[in-house]
Amino acid sequence: EPEVTQTPSHQVTQMGQEVILRCVPISNHLYFYWYRQILGQKVEFLVSFYNNEISEKSEIFDDQFSVERPDGSNFTLKIRSTKLEDSAMYFCASKLALDIQYFGAGTRLSVL
Amino acid sequence: QKEVEQNSGPLSVPEGAIASLNCTYSDRGSQSFFWYRQYSGKSPELIMFIYSNGDKEDGRFTAQLNKASQYVSLLIRDSQPSDSATYLCAVTTGFQKLVFGTGTRLLVSP
Repeated sequence: EPEVTQTPSHQVTQMGQEVILRCVPISNHLYFYWYRQILGQKVEFLVSFYNNEISEKSEIFDDQFSVERPDGSNFTLKIRSTKLEDSAMYFCASKLALDIQYFGAGTRLSVL
Repeated sequence: QKEVEQNSGPLSVPEGAIASLNCTYSDRGSQSFFWYRQYSGKSPELIMFIYSNGDKEDGRFTAQLNKASQYVSLLIRDSQPSDSATYLCAVTTGFQKLVFGTGTRLLVSP
């Protein structure tokens, strides 16, 4: 069964460092998303991406964040200068055209 | 602020019982409604989705939607200990993003 793949599963970084979280969406999917979940809190939308551009972003997705689809398969989330409060699970999701979004296993980001 | 509200629980039911999980949403423009299951430390896993008023059944799961009351529910029949997890209600409007509730923690005791 096709699945969304995220790497790494756990990323540890120092405050102020740049991190890139990687996702390989399901191959024929057209819409791509990043969500995050701070420990003990709800899943929050960060950004949606369609047709090689951002279609919507939340207030959380400030200038420190960027997304890219550098080739036909990868979808990345970059955080330029990490803060302690960026520590969270980051989930990538994708969908074809119907509303059903499929989630990857997530990357746990720990900012020290 | 578009909100999705859920009772955080825990909801405790004995094995074999029916678990009833509820969710309300504030945006009347919401069009699609989803129930995801999330085990601790894992990603959300889709259980059910519903678009129209009424009931939708899939195996032991039934989703119920009442748009007039802005209410979505999930019934789990013959609950099993393996159903113990957090159940996330999520909605979408005409835009693409999912708006999640905080989730209800379900505990099924043997």
